[in-house]
Amino acid sequence: EAQVTQNPRYLITVTGKKLTVTCSQNMNHEYMSWYRQDPGLGLRQIYYSMNVEVTDKGDVPEGYKVSRKEKRNFPLILESPSPNQTSLYFCASSLFPNQPQHFGDGTRLSIL
Amino acid sequence: GDSVTQMEGPVTLSEEAFLTINCTYTATGYPSLFWYVQYPGEGLQLLLKATKADDKGSNKGFEATYRKETTSFHLEKGSVQVSDSAVYFCALNRGSGGYQKVTFGIGTKLQVIP
Repeated sequence: EAQVTQNPRYLITVTGKKLTVTCSQNMNHEYMSWYRQDPGLGLRQIYYSMNVEVTDKGDVPEGYKVSRKEKRNFPLILESPSPNQTSLYFCASSLFPNQPQHFGDGTRLSIL
Repeated sequence: GDSVTQMEGPVTLSEEAFLTINCTYTATGYPSLFWYVQYPGEGLQLLLKATKADDKGSNKGFEATYRKETTSFHLEKGSVQVSDSAVYFCALNRGSGGYQKVTFGIGTKLQVIP
């Protein structure tokens, strides 16, 4: 089954404690993105990747890092999380850059 | 920069009513346009798409036409069902070989009552 898998689904943590949200896709897609979803703001793109070792900033990259060492994986790293990063996060992938994306089920992060 | 405007709602309709959710956009170039649907506790799913002006996307009774002259991509359905209750997102994608810039609207919550 074609899918994008995110882990964890839920996480409550404290300010400053580094965390990583993993994302993996099994469709051999070139393009992957991370989004955050906040009430009244919709989804906003954090980072995207065009291929292994190639990433670029989206609209709200501050406070986040990403890496793409393997084609299937695209982890999101919060090195020093702060309460304003409390949000619902989605990973997505697509084969081509202007094609529909497949989304994971989301990761709800609470930073206390 | 790019932007997508849609009403937040909630939009409350009775079953079998006609649905319109407006979406307008600003963007450079010729983006692809999408409607995604999000059911509670789930990720977004593609509902329909259009890749160039005058294209009509359709799926599950929903339709939207890419109108370049009015920069719009309004979502319509002739007769909604309770199972259509969800949040609907309009999105534009300016993607090419070297980048993938995706901009979403704020989402419109639809509630369909029996």
